[in-house]
Amino acid sequence: DQQVKQNSPSLSVQEGRISILNCDYTNSMFDYFLWYKKYPAEGPTFLISISSIKDKNEDGRFTVFLNKSAKHLSLHIVPSQPGDSAVYFCAARALIQGAQKLVFGQGTRLTINP
Amino acid sequence: DAGVIQSPRHEVTEMGQEVTLRCKPISGHDYLFWYRQTMMRGLELLIYFNNNVPIDDSGMPEDRFSAKMPNASFSTLKIQPSEPRDSAVYFCASSIWDRGSPLHFGNGTRLTVT
Repeated sequence: DQQVKQNSPSLSVQEGRISILNCDYTNSMFDYFLWYKKYPAEGPTFLISISSIKDKNEDGRFTVFLNKSAKHLSLHIVPSQPGDSAVYFCAARALIQGAQKLVFGQGTRLTINP
Repeated sequence: DAGVIQSPRHEVTEMGQEVTLRCKPISGHDYLFWYRQTMMRGLELLIYFNNNVPIDDSGMPEDRFSAKMPNASFSTLKIQPSEPRDSAVYFCASSIWDRGSPLHFGNGTRLTVT
């Protein structure tokens, strides 16, 4: 049962354009959503997060949008840069029966073409 | 801040051998997580600790897997006996208690069981 889904395993974008990465979830108990970025041979690093009480959070070139009714969130990167090429993981957090649950999607490999 | 430190970075072992993975969390973090990354299942939570106490081990695949946290600065994940299907990258992560706080990941241990 995949509670967090990233349906696009890969995405290719021209440098300078907008990159949009998508994520869908099924559990309405999730109340925090996070995006992580991962380079080869390194651990995931935190990028940006959003609380379920908000619909948008912006940090520099990165903006996360949350649509609770659709159980969908997206990460926008504008403008895209070559250094943004990495695997991006969406994650959702819930407190269930006293235990923190942080569930990750499968990841989307983003390639920025010069 | 040295970040989360994992050792070894790579481990190659034969089926049936015992494998021990090690993790030193960030000082002051009271949560520690063990994740496993595979192509098929992405990043999946194995177990997590709060103040050195295991809280949720429902993700531990089998009795062959065990994890300990004898003190706030050290944790181990042991597989005994190891099997080829255990081959994966194992990540340790730590965080402070705050539902919005991100996890900080180590660089992982790539385990290959032949």
